[in-house]
Amino acid sequence: DAEITQSPRHKITETGRQVTLACHQTWNHNNMFWYRQDLGHGLRLIHYSYGVQDTNKGEVSDGYSVSRSNTEDLPLTLESAASSQTSVYFCASSESIVGIVTDTQYFGPGTRLTVL
Amino acid sequence: AQSVTQLGSHVSVSEGALVLLRCNYSSSVPPYLFWYVQYPNQGLQLLLKYTTGATLVKGINGFEAEFKKSETSFHLTKPSAHMSDAAEYFCAVSDRVNTGKLIFGQGTTLQVKP
Repeated sequence: DAEITQSPRHKITETGRQVTLACHQTWNHNNMFWYRQDLGHGLRLIHYSYGVQDTNKGEVSDGYSVSRSNTEDLPLTLESAASSQTSVYFCASSESIVGIVTDTQYFGPGTRLTVL
Repeated sequence: AQSVTQLGSHVSVSEGALVLLRCNYSSSVPPYLFWYVQYPNQGLQLLLKYTTGATLVKGINGFEAEFKKSETSFHLTKPSAHMSDAAEYFCAVSDRVNTGKLIFGQGTTLQVKP
């Protein structure tokens, strides 16, 4: 069965360190998204990609970067981790049909990141 | 700009009682609307969505939602709560302009008491 996986599921790091969170999907979806989930804020969009070599900033992109070298993966990098980036991070994907980006997103299980 | 407001961050019901989770949206164009559910330590999964057509939408696990344009609402209901319905529920809106981006509400935690 197709799926979307995230690793690691839990990560503790120190302020100032670079951290990369992995996202891998086997749906063969063109579109991939990264969100962070915080109490009282729901999910907020960090970065998204519509295909290989395409990346776009979302609502809360400062301090984060992504790169898309193939269809299956969209790693999220925290360049210099800050305590404010302690959160749960979700990756999602969706398909495009005849060039139309569909709205139904499929989510990974999440990565809980703690920055000390 | 679009926005979504979920009224009540926590809702508690007894098993067998009606579940009503409220969602209001703000959008300059008719939106697509979604409800997602998140069980503990899991990702989000789609419960139901409204795009066009019938305003009463049925989803998985006995949930349904009604799109009311005049009230800018998309409330989620289930006639009889089950213990397994305890989870966090998110309402989301899409802007219909082919971005595929979703704007999420703050979430409502549903507690089901025996």
